[in-house]
Amino acid sequence: DVKVTQSSRYLVKRTGEKVFLECVQDMDHENMFWYRQDPGLGLRLIYFSYDVKMKEKGDIPEGYSVSREKKERFSLILESASTNQTSMYLCASSQTSGRSYEQYFGPGTRLTVT
Amino acid sequence: SQQGEEDPQALSIQEGENATMNCSYKTSINNLQWYRQNSGRGLVHLILIRSNEREKHSGRLRVTLDTSKKSSSLLITASRAADTASYFCATEYSGTYKYIFGTGTRLKVLA
Repeated sequence: DVKVTQSSRYLVKRTGEKVFLECVQDMDHENMFWYRQDPGLGLRLIYFSYDVKMKEKGDIPEGYSVSREKKERFSLILESASTNQTSMYLCASSQTSGRSYEQYFGPGTRLTVT
Repeated sequence: SQQGEEDPQALSIQEGENATMNCSYKTSINNLQWYRQNSGRGLVHLILIRSNEREKHSGRLRVTLDTSKKSSSLLITASRAADTASYFCATEYSGTYKYIFGTGTRLKVLA
């Protein structure tokens, strides 16, 4: 079974702190994604990566950066956390070989910024 | 935003009834997927339908796709209490790796 793990289920940080959310997948998938999920807004794509060291902005990249140094690991960084970044963060991975494949999601990290 | 939209936002039915959810999207797609999310958890993939397919079945799930209307429907037959969850459609837009998720339909199946 594909497994996508996220470093924390719950996280509480203070405004202005630098926050790292880590995601690891064990199926050698090329693509990895970071979403945030907010009530009434569904899932919104923050960043995605289709290869090591490659990244592309999603719909709401402001205030976030990402790092992908190894194929299995995709990190989301909040440079200076703000209260409006309180949300559920979901990581996902998928493979692609010229066709599209389903995404596999981690359990999510519920981040609270106070 | 190119976000898809699900309809209805919430649905409450009795166990054994069928549940139908709809999804509309805005531009050309490679495929459309449906996902389920149990409360506070990650999403689980249910079914994928490609742009050249019109209907697909998986167990109690039936998905249709109408590319001329830019819409899809998910039918869950003979629903069970365990089907209580939020359901999302996701579309991969042609020429991109990006998936756009809708806002979801919250389904409650009453025992």
